[in-house]
Amino acid sequence: DTGVSQDPRHKITKRGQNVTFRCDPISEHNRLYWYRQTLGQGPEFLTYFQNEAQLEKSRLLSDRFSAERPKGSFSTLEIQRTEQGDSAMYLCASSSSGFGGPGAVNTEAFFGQGTRLTVV
Amino acid sequence: AQKITQTQPGMFVQEKEAVTLDCTYDTSDQSYGLFWYKQPSSGEMIFLIYQGSYDEQNATEGRYSLNFQKARKSANLVISASQLGDSAMYFCAMRGLSGGYQKVTFGIGTKLQVIP
Repeated sequence: DTGVSQDPRHKITKRGQNVTFRCDPISEHNRLYWYRQTLGQGPEFLTYFQNEAQLEKSRLLSDRFSAERPKGSFSTLEIQRTEQGDSAMYLCASSSSGFGGPGAVNTEAFFGQGTRLTVV
Repeated sequence: AQKITQTQPGMFVQEKEAVTLDCTYDTSDQSYGLFWYKQPSSGEMIFLIYQGSYDEQNATEGRYSLNFQKARKSANLVISASQLGDSAMYFCAMRGLSGGYQKVTFGIGTKLQVIP
């Protein structure tokens, strides 16, 4: 396994169009995360899946954003009616189970190279 | 709530010298984890080192060490014997109970440039 992969690496779209990004996590990882990173900032948490269940969503994830992980493997992030403020790097990460609770916080997340979205 | 503060927007270091990147954090959690990630220009976040809040010894991974001072809530990254390939953005991050353990909170990063 070569790590977390994301597709496409770059996407330029016109305002108002819909876009969809794909993330393929490390195969044995059951946890998958989406983050957004704007210029000059650190990544900000968007949402998290454990297997196919979406367990947490950030307030940053407006109604125009939807994420799925239908079979607990790859995930998609769709943005509808894109706005210029959506321009950012969208990062996907995965980690293995056993994370959570005291004494179990050391499972690092492995990140993909991101999808850079530019809305014009 | 969790907060990470990185006050150095940019740092320069001479090749083969050591450099310290500062990180302070704020949390009310008793159990938490602290991380450092490297982000080269390619965009990928690369995990470097982890420190648990209950770990008594500072974490080390090769040329990376984490200077953990719990009372001061600081988790500085020390890179020894800097290499040109170390030039990148460096992010301090944490996760803990108040973040549901699943959400990693990142700082705004420090840009490190290694000078030959």
